[in-house]
Amino acid sequence: NAGVTQTPKFRILKIGQSMTLQCAQDMNHNYMYWYRQDPGMGLKLIYYSVGAGITDKGEVPNGYNVSRSTTEDFPLRLELAAPSQTSVYFCASSYSPVYNEQFFGPGTRLTVL
Amino acid sequence: AQSVTQPDIHITVSEGASLELRCNYSYGATPYLFWYVQSPGQGLQLLLKYFSGDTLVQGIKGFEAEFKRSQSSFNLRKPSVHWSDAAEYFCAVDYNNAGNMLTFGGGTRLMVKP
Repeated sequence: NAGVTQTPKFRILKIGQSMTLQCAQDMNHNYMYWYRQDPGMGLKLIYYSVGAGITDKGEVPNGYNVSRSTTEDFPLRLELAAPSQTSVYFCASSYSPVYNEQFFGPGTRLTVL
Repeated sequence: AQSVTQPDIHITVSEGASLELRCNYSYGATPYLFWYVQSPGQGLQLLLKYFSGDTLVQGIKGFEAEFKRSQSSFNLRKPSVHWSDAAEYFCAVDYNNAGNMLTFGGGTRLMVKP
């Protein structure tokens, strides 16, 4: 199993550009999550999904969009990149909502200039 | 607002010494509690978790944590630190006990002196 994979690993965007961060998992997990991690801070939840076709906002959803058309994939879309979105983005997945052991991908480091 | 506090931003210990990382959460009931470790350039890995029952929980890599309801704390411990333990450690809380949202502390960066 590859676990949770994320692409790209690094990306530099100009202000106003858009991009999609890809996340995939091969563990047949229903729950998937997107977090951002700012320097010296803990992770903050952006969006999560409880299954294909179902998504919901987390703590910091503004400026982002998600979709979940399959169990495996959970892409994160930035429509109009802003410097405040410079961060490291982590995707995670979990099998059970009750025990909530989340498995994390390696992260995408995004810089908006 | 619900929060998770890790008071120590940086900790340096000598290899072989004991370690305790502090975590406090703000809530009256008992949420689900977690400790994660993040090695440089890597994603987070679960060290241990507490849901209910025995307040001393064992995790991977020789770590343990103790839940103290009266202090709203969930401190992480290791009796003898190895150089490979140098990493950043995050305490996380699931306040809803529903598995949908974790609230993370700001992290503690551990450095290990030879």
